[in-house]
Order: sequence, then C-alpha cells, then structure tokens
Amino acid sequence: GQNIDQPTEMTATEGAIVQINCTYQTSGFNGLFWYQQHAGEAPTFLSYNVLDGLEEKGRFSSFLSRSKGYSYLLLKELQMKDSASYLCADGLTSGGSYIPTFGRGTSLIVHP
Amino acid sequence: ETGVTQSPTHLIKTRGQQVTLRCSSQSGHNTVSWYQQALGQGPQFIFQYYREEENGRGNFPPRFSGLQFPNYSSELNVNALELDDSALYLCASSGGQGVAGELFFGEGSRLTVL
Repeated sequence: GQNIDQPTEMTATEGAIVQINCTYQTSGFNGLFWYQQHAGEAPTFLSYNVLDGLEEKGRFSSFLSRSKGYSYLLLKELQMKDSASYLCADGLTSGGSYIPTFGRGTSLIVHP
Repeated sequence: ETGVTQSPTHLIKTRGQQVTLRCSSQSGHNTVSWYQQALGQGPQFIFQYYREEENGRGNFPPRFSGLQFPNYSSELNVNALELDDSALYLCASSGGQGVAGELFFGEGSRLTVL
C-alpha cells in the first residue's frame, strides 16, 4: 500500500454526496479497484476502472485519470449503512495474475 | 455457488508458536491470495497461489509460508509467532468469470498472539 494515498477519515451527512480521492503510482498500472469494508467484515468489490472516465453503478460512481494517477469514488444519496472503510487498490500483475495492492483505506462516517 | 470460507475464525497463540490457517476458494476460482490486515489499516499482500504455485509475494519474512492444493484450497502457515503478527488474515479467491482481478474475500481468521 505504500504506492497508494487516500484520506484516513471523512464524515458526511445522510442524503449528501461524498467524494473519496485516491492517488497511485502510474508505473505498471493495470487498473484501479475500489472495495467497501464494514467494521468486522470482509472487503467487498465495488468497482474497477482501467480506462479514463467515469463508471456509474447506481449510487456509486468511480472515476479514473491514468495520466494523473488519480481516482475517486463518488457516493450519492448517502445512507447510514454507507458508513464503512473504502479501500483503493491498484492491480499489479505477476505471471499474468492480478495482485491488488491496497491503500490503508478511508473510514467514512455518515451521520444523521 | 459456494463462497470463500476460512477457518478458524478466531484463535489465540503465544509467542514462538506456529499457526496454520485454512481457506477454501470459491468454486470456479483457481487463484488464492492471502492478506494481513492490522487494525485500522488496509490489507497487506502476503502471497498469491495460482494452480499450486506461488505467483507473487509481498514484503513478509520466510516464516510466512503457504500451500495450494489441487482443489485450489490453500493454507497459510506462520512459524515463530511474534506479537506483531496479531491481525486479521484474509483469504481471497479470484480467476473466475467477471472482472479480471476481482477478489472475493472470506470472513477472515483473527489471530491474537500473546
């Protein structure tokens, strides 16, 4: 995770929009993943970007700029259940397999 | 479709002991990755197995070792346990249809070293 930088913690209000940023080293880039992890649970896959632009999936969208080594996860119409850690991971490859390398995660707290 | 299962879910060991953690991969997946997650941190890559061969290794000492079996299940072994080994150990399988590299995680094995 030393190549990935994301904020440690963010807070937002129920119903609002929040953007979680992630920067990564561009050398050897093979895609950018976002995972959600609720406290005490396993991470679950949210999105994968390999080309520039915005990928929308319901209330969640993910954006990638390869030239800038930058991604963000956009969460709309926030709900209390969105309180979780959001993990940015880059997809390095070894022997043809992807090995996602995670950042430390951004803890999102949604309050009423 | 059976998901990723790990055992045991919790265990307590003392310094110097050895531990074996087990993981059954999701059906149709041929790749297993192991991660260590300390409290408040992101998962740190330990190693990955693809078709019974180690396919990449993170910055962990040799006392962390692993195996993958013909049915693609896997073990993580840690020798000479240290206090800093206390963490959640996550197993993730991949290699099926869908997004390349998407990891499917088990619930983890929480190891406490006293």
